Amino acid sequence: SAVISQKPSRDICQRGTSLTIQCQVDSQVTMMFWYRQQPGQSLTLIATANQGSEATYESGFVIDKFPISRPNLTFSTLTVSNMSPEDSSIYLCSGAGTGVHEQFFGPGTRLTVL
Amino acid sequence: GQQLNQSPQSMFIQEGEDVSMNCTSSSIFNTWLWYKQDPGEGPVLLIALYKAGELTSNGRLTAQFGITRKDSFLNISASIPSDVGIYFCAGPGGTSYGKLTFGQGTILTVHP
Repeated sequence: SAVISQKPSRDICQRGTSLTIQCQVDSQVTMMFWYRQQPGQSLTLIATANQGSEATYESGFVIDKFPISRPNLTFSTLTVSNMSPEDSSIYLCSGAGTGVHEQFFGPGTRLTVL
Repeated sequence: GQQLNQSPQSMFIQEGEDVSMNCTSSSIFNTWLWYKQDPGEGPVLLIALYKAGELTSNGRLTAQFGITRKDSFLNISASIPSDVGIYFCAGPGGTSYGKLTFGQGTILTVHP
């Protein structure tokens, strides 16, 4: 299984600003994903991060609001742009290798927007 | 899209008791996954199931892939305080490669 780290672990941000979250995997993975989770609730997929090309976004999520980069097989970033209090949530990245449905998750980034 | 219904939503049990939770799908799955999430952490994969009828154990945890391929069960035997957390079932999220759909989660509380 892959070990996934995220930075920052938490942040408190002002309305209207942007935050970039980094996700680092300790080995190459085929797929990387970004999720959002309200505390105590289920995970909602934001997008699939594609290496060297534009991410694939789920319904309700757009590139202008959540730009994603994936320059190689071990690293990805998610930016939460022009934040509002409704963006306060936990953001999780995950990776999957040869067992394509067996996703391994980072510890999450807890974001609070004031 | 595919939906997973997980039950119960929460459980309050005494240490030493056995736990059972289940997940049902509106469509057939070829993979079932069970995750556990501790407070402040990301979900951790407990068990992966790939075949209808499959029964797989991981220590005190046992999971089964339902014969109909539309359900799965997770059992925890002789619960201990560190079993506390949220348990999620997950399955392939539609036609897109590699995507997962998650159940709503079962919040487990174990009283010493």
